[in-house]
Amino acid sequence: GQNIDQPTEMTATEGAIVQINCTYQTSGFNGLFWYQQHAGEAPTFLSYNVLDGLEEKGRFSSFLSRSKGYSYLLLKELQMKDSASYLCAVKDSGYALNFGKGTSLLVTP
Amino acid sequence: IAGITQAPTSQILAAGRRMTLRCTQDMRHNAMYWYRQDLGLGLRLIHYSNTAGTTGKGEVPDGYSVSRANTDDFPLTLASAVPSQTSVYFCASSGDGTSGSDEQFFGPGTRLTVL
Repeated sequence: GQNIDQPTEMTATEGAIVQINCTYQTSGFNGLFWYQQHAGEAPTFLSYNVLDGLEEKGRFSSFLSRSKGYSYLLLKELQMKDSASYLCAVKDSGYALNFGKGTSLLVTP
Repeated sequence: IAGITQAPTSQILAAGRRMTLRCTQDMRHNAMYWYRQDLGLGLRLIHYSNTAGTTGKGEVPDGYSVSRANTDDFPLTLASAVPSQTSVYFCASSGDGTSGSDEQFFGPGTRLTVL
């Protein structure tokens, strides 16, 4: 079966750094994705990791450890517009994308 | 058209009625997907299609059917709607359903309420 866990809610201050963790147990592994979803909108792609290590893209970075079944999304220099849900998704051996329940991030002034 | 479009944007439906949600993409993507998103449950895959002419079942396929007659369109049909199908439905597409790095692009969603 598929099991993807991430915190339900997080709060952080504008300008700060926040780390959103994701742990997974899936049938096979073909990569891990992070998506951002603002309220009432569609998810949009943020990052993809398939090898261990850190992928940096502007203010956002994503880390993967396959041996630990663990990933995190790091958001730096937080802005109010970063308030959104962040979805961790793992592509399994059948190439299906399995989503976690999402982490709702609130950025406060 | 740019990307993925879905119709209708929202719909209120009486239980027992038949309903088709439409999804069209213009990116010439081979793979298309239907998800439902419910509070506290996240996105769950209903059906998918890796290429025109083929479809497959996802995690929650019961009560839904799909067809993929061509590359661009992937309609989702509820044969006899029930209140538990009240949800937000997202259509998505990707270039190749069997590629690991292939990101999925999502449509704007359809908010469906079954009374």
